[in-house]
Amino acid sequence: ETGVTQSPTHLIKTRGQQVTLRCSSQSGHNTVSWYQQALGQGPQFIFQYYREEENGRGNFPPRFSGLQFPNYSSELNVNALELDDSALYLCASSLIEEGDGYTFGSGTRLTVV
Amino acid sequence: RKEVEQDPGPFNVPEGATVAFNCTYSNSASQSFFWYRQDCRKEPKLLMSVYSSGNEDGRFTAQLNRASQYISLLIRDSKLSDSATYLCVVMSMNSGYSTLTFGKGTMLLVSP
Repeated sequence: ETGVTQSPTHLIKTRGQQVTLRCSSQSGHNTVSWYQQALGQGPQFIFQYYREEENGRGNFPPRFSGLQFPNYSSELNVNALELDDSALYLCASSLIEEGDGYTFGSGTRLTVV
Repeated sequence: RKEVEQDPGPFNVPEGATVAFNCTYSNSASQSFFWYRQDCRKEPKLLMSVYSSGNEDGRFTAQLNRASQYISLLIRDSKLSDSATYLCVVMSMNSGYSTLTFGKGTMLLVSP
């Protein structure tokens, strides 16, 4: 059973640029959630994807968008990067039928300069 | 009021000490409760689920009081390897999807 893998592990971008982060979900899981963890804070829910559609969203602006693919992998896209977007981005996969049972990836650390 | 609030840290304790973490949550409709552990610059990992009847896993005991919307974690006989940030997590259902809401975390430093 493979776990959740995220790429890249680290990334440095300039303010105003766009970034795409990737996540491969755990085998057997059909739902992917993305979280943003700023330094010294707990993870904050960005959005969740199920059946290739966004089915829930936290308090994040539209420049945060995502995709889920037929194999349940997912992408997080952030446009017009701001300095405050610097954070650890975590992907978590789960089985929507179970509600809980989240498995987190090791995250992508994004630095915006 | 924040949705999930935890004791501010860090907690500095010697090996062998007993340490207790407290957490409160604001959404009375929350369904499931967890403690996660997060090592420095790593992803959060599930430590244990929390049930109203209280549950124990070795040196770790978790308790939930739904009436007062309070969650606790007790660590007995602290080890150096227990040093980490402990995150209180609440799961809620919203229109067919589940969301994890995390507290800010409480850092534990166990010293020799």
